[in-house]
Amino acid sequence: GENVEQHPSTLSVQEGDSAVIKCTYSDSASNYFPWYKQELGKRPQLIIDIRSNVGEKKDQRIAVTLNKTAKHFSLHITETQPEDSAVYFCAASQSGGSYIPTFGRGTSLIVHP
Amino acid sequence: DVKVTQSSRYLVKRTGEKVFLECVQDMDHENMFWYRQDPGLGLRLIYFSYDVKMKEKGDIPEGYSVSREKKERFSLILESASTNQTSMYLCASSLGGGATDTQYFGPGTRLTVL
Repeated sequence: GENVEQHPSTLSVQEGDSAVIKCTYSDSASNYFPWYKQELGKRPQLIIDIRSNVGEKKDQRIAVTLNKTAKHFSLHITETQPEDSAVYFCAASQSGGSYIPTFGRGTSLIVHP
Repeated sequence: DVKVTQSSRYLVKRTGEKVFLECVQDMDHENMFWYRQDPGLGLRLIYFSYDVKMKEKGDIPEGYSVSREKKERFSLILESASTNQTSMYLCASSLGGGATDTQYFGPGTRLTVL
């Protein structure tokens, strides 16, 4: 089955800095890579996703890059703000049919004002 | 807007009790999931269902069972609760059929087994 490794487990940055979270996956058939943000005491919510036919996707201050050859993808947050503090989860799956994502273990991002 | 609701936010039960956790989604989603969330371990899949009365084991099904009698409702059952089942339980749903794979999560149930 699929295995997703996520690093780092904790990331501490100053407000305004950039933050990068990396994930690797094992199954070359995986073609859908979402990122979820979970604020303290709240439910995980999708913030951005990428499919394997695209190398990069941006949405304002967040971006995701995908390297299919190396089987890794990364979340980039620029100009971090205190409200970016949360746990971020990456996931990998094959879209379609009985879709079952495999999640990474999560990264706790702390943005210091 | 998709809404996924769970029957309780907090639950305290005693060892050996039978526990029911309910999840309801209002968007006619085909797929529903139960996860367990523990610090440092991320989201671990317990069971999922891709249709009414259909269920598949996830990564950690031991000690749990599920029921999906109606499309909108997916129940997680702990037949005999144990202290190592103290955790946060998250339900999720997705549209299915390959149209979109976004998962929509419920608010979670924090279960404590004494």
